[in-house]
Amino acid sequence: GAGVSQTPSNKVTEKGKYVELRCDPISGHTALYWYRQSLGQGPEFLIYFQGTGAADDSGLPNDRFFAVRPEGSVSTLKIQRTERGDSAVYLCASSQGGRNRGADTQYFGPGTRLTVL
Amino acid sequence: GNSVTQMEGPVTLSEEAFLTINCTYTATGYPSLFWYVQYPGEGLQLLLKATKADDKGSNKGFEATYRKETTSFHLEKGSVQVSDSAVYFCALLTGGFKTIFGAGTRLFVKA
Repeated sequence: GAGVSQTPSNKVTEKGKYVELRCDPISGHTALYWYRQSLGQGPEFLIYFQGTGAADDSGLPNDRFFAVRPEGSVSTLKIQRTERGDSAVYLCASSQGGRNRGADTQYFGPGTRLTVL
Repeated sequence: GNSVTQMEGPVTLSEEAFLTINCTYTATGYPSLFWYVQYPGEGLQLLLKATKADDKGSNKGFEATYRKETTSFHLEKGSVQVSDSAVYFCALLTGGFKTIFGAGTRLFVKA
């Protein structure tokens, strides 16, 4: 059984460009999370999906950031008009999505390191 | 708002030394508490968790007890190994879906 995978592992882009980051969760996991981790910091919550819908997107920093999960499995994080401050490692995690969220273990992917020049 | 504060690193210990990494939290309600670990070159993984006051989470020789009266969840291990060298993150989850992480503490264990 594969874990959470993320592609690409590294992405270098220029300021103002558009990027897409992909996350493949563990098969059967209905909950999916995106986080952003800046150097020397802990992961910062961005968005949570339960199935196909974004149940909580309050962590998205502004309207340049958008995420989708059209079939309830793979998710794509989209960043428009990238800025240098967007440079970070973007982490994806998935969990079974049970009712008792406190006991719901999240499994993290290896992350995508985004560098905006 | 909800937050997690953990001791700054790096922490450098000799093999077989006792480890404590302090973590305190601020939260409304009754959060669940976690320790995650990130080994060099690997992804973040759950180390242990506790979902209610006085619960003790344990795994791989690490322990942490959920202390509501002191709002703490300190990580301990009686005898560290070189293979424990990693970054450790304390985290909390309250009624919603946001896990709040601390800034992380880097541990170096020398042979």
